Amino acid sequence: ETGVTQTPRHLVMGMTNKKSLKCEQHLGHNAMYWYKQSAKKPLELMFVYNFKEQTENNSVPSRFSPECPNSSHLFLHLHTLQPEDSALYLCASSHSGQGGKTEAFFGQGTRLTVV
Amino acid sequence: RKEVEQDPGPFNVPEGATVAFNCTYSNSASQSFFWYRQDCRKEPKLLMSVYSSGNEDGRFTAQLNRASQYISLLIRDSKLSDSATYLCVVNKEGYSTLTFGKGTMLLVSP
Repeated sequence: ETGVTQTPRHLVMGMTNKKSLKCEQHLGHNAMYWYKQSAKKPLELMFVYNFKEQTENNSVPSRFSPECPNSSHLFLHLHTLQPEDSALYLCASSHSGQGGKTEAFFGQGTRLTVV
Repeated sequence: RKEVEQDPGPFNVPEGATVAFNCTYSNSASQSFFWYRQDCRKEPKLLMSVYSSGNEDGRFTAQLNRASQYISLLIRDSKLSDSATYLCVVNKEGYSTLTFGKGTMLLVSP
């Protein structure tokens, strides 16, 4: 059983819709990540949050808007997406800081289809 | 030089074979290293951490060479169920923000 939970697991949305992806972790981690994985492609880092502050934005278009209200929750707000944004969106969390274990744990992902 | 570089493969091996993957990293200050496994259409899962002294977990052995900045994964007696993509992961800047390689695909055939 994963300590990182993502909802919904599947989402189909039109290009004019607004939707949000949710991620929750129960591992006491202080870093959270959004990754995008298109079909048969490697992971692409989108955003990183450390202690609720965004520390990395990997040149992601503004139609993707992250929100991190606390260290346990991470959202990805979506609006006016394009069909090429269809992909598996993965959330992960890890400890942050020097030393200690920093491996990341992933949620099962949200499979997004934009029609 | 890319931050984390892996041969994408695929590596096609028969059951029972031994196979090894290498991964190179560019940041000499990196401190933590991991191998993840990703099955088709699933999330990546931690396979094992990589320690300076090398470590073994059953059929899997991981090694770290800091001088040459590479890590390796050796799989002995390959099983069909080992077929997956293996991701090399390095802790960027010495702490926080993991950097993933693009993965090496392994296909084990009967």
